[in-house]
Amino acid sequence: GAVVSQHPSWVICKSGTSVKIECRSLDFQATTMFWYRQFPKQSLMLMATSNEGSKATYEQGVEKDKFLINHASLTLSTLTVTSAHPEDSSFYICSARSLINQPQHFGDGTRLSIL
Amino acid sequence: SQQGEEDPQALSIQEGENATMNCSYKTSINNLQWYRQNSGRGLVHLILIRSNEREKHSGRLRVTLDTSKKSSSLLITASRAADTASYFCVKETSGSRLTFGEGTQLTVNP
Repeated sequence: GAVVSQHPSWVICKSGTSVKIECRSLDFQATTMFWYRQFPKQSLMLMATSNEGSKATYEQGVEKDKFLINHASLTLSTLTVTSAHPEDSSFYICSARSLINQPQHFGDGTRLSIL
Repeated sequence: SQQGEEDPQALSIQEGENATMNCSYKTSINNLQWYRQNSGRGLVHLILIRSNEREKHSGRLRVTLDTSKKSSSLLITASRAADTASYFCVKETSGSRLTFGEGTQLTVNP
């Protein structure tokens, strides 16, 4: 149980393109979903927290207009990287949680490469 | 910013040996969790220990928590080559915020 599916797993696109990443909880209702960014050989950095039906809460330094997050249902959250540039290239990972004090369950990540 | 330290940063052992990873933190926590990550993949939840617990077991994993020293350890017994991965200590604080350590890269040699 507690499976989180993240799609796509790998994206290569040209600079200026907008890219949408989906995160789905397959067998539980995720009241809260999280988006992280990870640089090579580094730990995960939280970008934003989203509760179903509410606006996402962004961490300091994360541009909300650059990284659009939508959490319209209890099983789906999307992250859209708008007008992506090479510096946005990274590994993006989502996680989902049903209740407070329960572990977060992570997707397999999306490797984004902007040329 | 990241909170706490993990050590060692890298650990290389032979199959069958035990692996111990340590983690420290600075502020109060609700719980502490350990995750593993295979290269280029997502994170897999291993074990969660609450702030009022001192030790927890799950299969070959043993986690301890010392809130007076603000430290935790993860012990993997009888390691296998498949245990090779990065292991992260993750602190959950008030507001359900998770803070990741820098991770320990474990290599288990067959």
